[in-house]
Amino acid sequence: ETGVTQTPRHLVMGMTNKKSLKCEQHLGHNAMYWYKQSAKKPLELMFVYNFKEQTENNSVPSRFSPECPNSSHLFLHLHTLQPEDSALYLCASSQATGVSYEQYFGPGTRLTVT
Amino acid sequence: KQEVTQIPAALSVPEGENLVLNCSFTDSAIYNLQWFRQDPGKGLTSLLLIQSSQREQTSGRLNASLDKSSGRSTLYIAASQPGDSATYLCAVELDKLSFGAGTTVTVRA
Repeated sequence: ETGVTQTPRHLVMGMTNKKSLKCEQHLGHNAMYWYKQSAKKPLELMFVYNFKEQTENNSVPSRFSPECPNSSHLFLHLHTLQPEDSALYLCASSQATGVSYEQYFGPGTRLTVT
Repeated sequence: KQEVTQIPAALSVPEGENLVLNCSFTDSAIYNLQWFRQDPGKGLTSLLLIQSSQREQTSGRLNASLDKSSGRSTLYIAASQPGDSATYLCAVELDKLSFGAGTTVTVRA
């Protein structure tokens, strides 16, 4: 595997389910990000991790719970979601946080909440 | 709060025509501006990055200009091909990347 991978690629879940999204980067980077892309809307930054430590939480509801066990893996745990949470969730990584460190994006997980 | 706007939201052109995609941003205090391409089912691919001190960047058939003082950038794609069909996103960076909603381009063969 190369680059940034995300699993699953598609997920359908009910509002009472608990599921997790996984992201793995094979680039030796130290920073990882979760973004949300809703239909016809700009990407919204959700969380930033740098060297496994969360450095940014962009006012994300607590039904989204991130976990970064090491610099290569990032999870997004989901519970009690709402239909408006249906979106494409993109993971990205960069060598470090800060300007001019290019972010590399995964293919995303298409989430549908029913 | 930085607002990034991309016009038009969608564009359809015949093959061979030149493409002009526009991006505007409200806060000119940026470090850089990036243009990305997004294909269905795939992540974002960075096309061009313009530092705030630069006026343009070129890569093959792609040319991006930046007018920081007026808060505008334009992406030109010369001699469009069906393979250029995708969504193009503009993003400006200060303390984080702020994205526009994108322009979806269809190039008709």
